[in-house]
Amino acid sequence: EAGVTQFPSHSVIEKGQTVTLRCDPISGHDNLYWYRRVMGKEIKFLLHFVKESKQDESGMPNNRFLAERTGGTYSTLKVQPAELEDSGVYFCASSQEGQGVPILGGYTFGSGTRLTVV
Amino acid sequence: SQKIEQNSEALNIQEGKTATLTCNYTNYSPAYLQWYRQDPGRGPVFLLLIRENEKEKRKERLKVTFDTTLKQSLFHITASQPADSATYLCALDRDDKIIFGKGTRLHILP
Repeated sequence: EAGVTQFPSHSVIEKGQTVTLRCDPISGHDNLYWYRRVMGKEIKFLLHFVKESKQDESGMPNNRFLAERTGGTYSTLKVQPAELEDSGVYFCASSQEGQGVPILGGYTFGSGTRLTVV
Repeated sequence: SQKIEQNSEALNIQEGKTATLTCNYTNYSPAYLQWYRQDPGRGPVFLLLIRENEKEKRKERLKVTFDTTLKQSLFHITASQPADSATYLCALDRDDKIIFGKGTRLHILP
């Protein structure tokens, strides 16, 4: 089966511009997560979708970040306007289980989008 | 808030030896704990999950232990190989999401 796909793999934008990241989860996975790793820090949770609904967006840094998952399939994460501190690697992950405890174990991550704001 | 500490940023191990990585956590005990491998430019790849009622879990050359009294998990790679060189991440569940440690960069020296 195809894994979690993220696009683009790299993005360099200027401060103040808008960037949209896309994630295609594994087909049939209801749970979709966004995570971010900034330089020197651990990977941190941003938000969690169950199908098209936002289950938890407690990790979103501020209102410049907007995530959507229309139709419960792919998801987008838009940053508008981008700031220097938004630079980092944005990971998407998906899982099949319904209550957050993986039955099979683990989450499947994409390769990430490396965002650089200059 | 929940904190996860992985014993060292980097660890060098001679090929063929057993590599042991440590994950310590504070505050509440998670229902389960996961270990991931991450290679440069890639996302984390799930390796093993161990639940709070399990003491040990094995998968091929990998072994994970979970001590809820010590609030610690140990991750072992036996008969280590240069291909095992990567960053290994410990992750705990919290409120339907996972919290990662910073990871340990493991170098297996030929």
